[in-house]
This record gives sequence, structure tokens and C-alpha cells, in this order.
Amino acid sequence: EDKVVQSPLSLVVHEGDTVTLNCSYEVTNFRSLLWYKQEKKAPTFLFMLTSSGIEKKSGRLSSILDKKELFSILNITATQTGDSAIYLCAVVKAAGNKLTFGGGTRVLVKP
Amino acid sequence: DTGVSQDPRHKITKRGQNVTFRCDPISEHNRLYWYRQTLGQGPEFLTYFQNEAQLEKSRLLSDRFSAERPKGSFSTLEIQRTEQGDSAMYLCASSLGEGSIQYFGAGTRLSVL
Repeated sequence: EDKVVQSPLSLVVHEGDTVTLNCSYEVTNFRSLLWYKQEKKAPTFLFMLTSSGIEKKSGRLSSILDKKELFSILNITATQTGDSAIYLCAVVKAAGNKLTFGGGTRVLVKP
Repeated sequence: DTGVSQDPRHKITKRGQNVTFRCDPISEHNRLYWYRQTLGQGPEFLTYFQNEAQLEKSRLLSDRFSAERPKGSFSTLEIQRTEQGDSAMYLCASSLGEGSIQYFGAGTRLSVL
């Protein structure tokens, strides 16, 4: 059975800190891994990763995929209170369409 | 707003009642997905449409659940004879093609009393 595990479950940091979120997966016929941010309702798209070792960046957020060790990390530097959210990792299989999500990491950034 | 929209945002119902939710995808997207999210968990896949064809259903989708996308545009998800265990956030997403990014709506939060 396909499995996506995120760690830690939650963390609390102060503004300006750097956080690293982990996502490991066990999926047959892997196609891509996606990160989403969920603040109150809709998960909003952050990154899609398909190739190993290529870092994707968007402002203070970055992410990288390791297809050999079957994991991805999401980094947030210089955190702000607006980064407080649940961060979700999901994988898509080749010739498939559904997202299989991990349980999420809840991040709280204190001023 | 040209994103995915869902209606209603909140629904409170009594056990045993039927409920129906609507999802309007991004206009040019031919793929539409339904997910369910319970507190503290990631979303779980329920079903998927390509145009009007329902191509995949999760075993989570019991006989009490039915989804339609009659004209390949909006979709409805109906739950018959609701149970307290159906209480969850029901999320809809749409995408342009196979393997492309799925964009989510704000969800419908269902509370079954």
C-alpha cells in the first residue's frame, strides 16, 4: 500500500528561525511529489518535484527531492507569522491521477 | 475569482439526512477530484472525473456516496443517510491534464449531529 509520512507532526518556532519539514514515501511507479500549504481551508500549491537533486525555490521557501532515498524536504528560512499553517506533502503515481497525502506538519511561528 | 469554488462552505445536518455538495472547477480544467479530510489528517482521495466520466473511486466511497459530473463542468457529491462518521471537510480539486498540478477549493465542512 502506498504510504506518505511527514515529520515532525508539529513544531513551534520564533520569527526569523529556519524550519525543515520532512516527507518520506513508499510508492510504486512514482511520478511526482507535491507540497501544499493549508492555512484555514484550501490547500494552496507550493512545489511540484519530479527530478532528484534539483532544488526548487520560491522566495523564502525551497524544496528538494531524493528519489533514491525516497524523501523530500521543505525549507522555510526567515520564518514569519504568516508561515503558520499545515504543510502537506503528496505523491502522484505514474499513469495515475490521485494525490496520496501525508498527515501534514503543523507549523506555528510565534512573533 | 477564477479558482475552484465549492458550495456550501458549511453544512450541518442530522444523522440520516441526505446532503449534496457542489464543486465548480477552474473553467478549462477537464479533471476533477473529490477528497475528504478529517481533523489532524491529510486529505484522502474519494473519486476522480475526466470530463464527465468517473474513472476512479476509492473504497472509502461507500454505497451511500455518489458523485456526478453530468456535463463535464461542475460536479456534485451526494451523501445519503448521513452518519456521524461522515463529518469531515470535503475538498474538490481540478487539474488540466494527467500529472498536472491539482488546485483545491476551500472545501465544504460537514457536521453530522
